[in-house]
Amino acid sequence: EVQLVESGGGLVKPGASLRLSCAASGFTVNDAWMSWVRQVPGKGLEWVGLLRRRASGGTPEYAASVKGRFTISRDVSQNTLYLQMSSLKTEDTGVYYCATDRGWLTFDCWGQGTPVTVSS
Amino acid sequence: QSALTQPPSASGSPGQSVTISCTGTSSDIGGYKYVSWYQQHPGKAPKLMIYEVSERPSGVPDRISGSKSGNTASLTVSGLQAEDEADYYCSSYAGSNFVLFGGGTKLTVL
Repeated sequence: EVQLVESGGGLVKPGASLRLSCAASGFTVNDAWMSWVRQVPGKGLEWVGLLRRRASGGTPEYAASVKGRFTISRDVSQNTLYLQMSSLKTEDTGVYYCATDRGWLTFDCWGQGTPVTVSS
Repeated sequence: QSALTQPPSASGSPGQSVTISCTGTSSDIGGYKYVSWYQQHPGKAPKLMIYEVSERPSGVPDRISGSKSGNTASLTVSGLQAEDEADYYCSSYAGSNFVLFGGGTKLTVL
């Protein structure tokens, strides 16, 4: 069974950094396209970025709102996807989900999410 | 790029059908067949209900259906049940490794 478990969220001040983790089971993160998606409280969903599977180059793509500040990576030995967030802004507040991508940014398995609050 | 446009709310009585619309542009919904719909219950993660406009993942009942015409996609829930009460989000591939979501529609079963 495919399962994703996020962790690492918390309360940080503007300008701070935070690293989120997404532990995967039931598949190998190296073999899957994966994304981070966030949800602003009481609002909709926003795609944050993706990491291609190794066979497709293993490179990331990012939404314009986070490009240059966020970095997606993976650790195959831990079977874990990461989201390194820096220069955090108040508008980065939300619940962050990792998800597997069945193709064309269609997300078929989601974690339970980890909340991030950026506030002074 | 702006989010896709969904009505904030929709409702129906048990057993009835309800359709939720999702409007985009020729650069997203109108340009690709990669429209998806997600169901989200309070405090839970989104769940994929429809992909590629009208395809259902394994386990999603056939009373859930999707369609598209031009720049507008639609989700229809037939034979409404109490468990269908949730938020529904549409999404569309928008080219260049980018996806847009709708603002969400709260479906209430009366």
